[in-house]
Amino acid sequence: DAKTTQPPSMDCAEGRAANLPCNHSTISGNEYVYWYRQIHSQGPQYIIHGLKNNETNEMASLIITEDRKSSTLILPHATLRDTAVYYCIVRASPYGGATNKLIFGTGTLLAVQP
Amino acid sequence: DTGVSQDPRHKITKRGQNVTFRCDPISEHNRLYWYRQTLGQGPEFLTYFQNEAQLEKSRLLSDRFSAERPKGSFSTLEIQRTEQGDSAMYLCASSLEVSGELFFGEGSRLTVL
Repeated sequence: DAKTTQPPSMDCAEGRAANLPCNHSTISGNEYVYWYRQIHSQGPQYIIHGLKNNETNEMASLIITEDRKSSTLILPHATLRDTAVYYCIVRASPYGGATNKLIFGTGTLLAVQP
Repeated sequence: DTGVSQDPRHKITKRGQNVTFRCDPISEHNRLYWYRQTLGQGPEFLTYFQNEAQLEKSRLLSDRFSAERPKGSFSTLEIQRTEQGDSAMYLCASSLEVSGELFFGEGSRLTVL
């Protein structure tokens, strides 16, 4: 799987948008961008994923650059409960018999400040 | 609760003892994964099952580690002759074959004294 680069930590004020960047300059054409987060002492939780179009769900928005070499996860109104480690992961399509495993890096620790 | 459950949540053992962790995936999920996580690091892939077949094992899974999923439902991860370096959180996840989303359990934390 392609490697990703994320800042080790970020701060965000409560109620403001949190924008978490991720670089994946070696991403292949069939690789998706996934975001998971891990709140302290819990298992990772799926947030969102995309291939090349921007995606939005009830948790977040994912903006992928046109060249697909980087992406940004946006939490529109961060709350204290969004304090967590956020992982950006790229991997091949899970369909068609692929392993489906995720390879985690060290992620970004987002600290939402009151 | 219909999520992934793991048992026990915490285990303290002495070096050299054997330990076993159990994972109950979401019932209709045919894929099951084990990960290990140490402090300050992201989860590291250990092994993967599709139904009862163990299809992939990481080099991290030494011969002291064995995982099974006998009937394609729950899975066990056994560590024999534990070492202090085995102290970690052991995470289990499951997914549908045609889904990109892995659902993780809360993990089993192992402390080897």
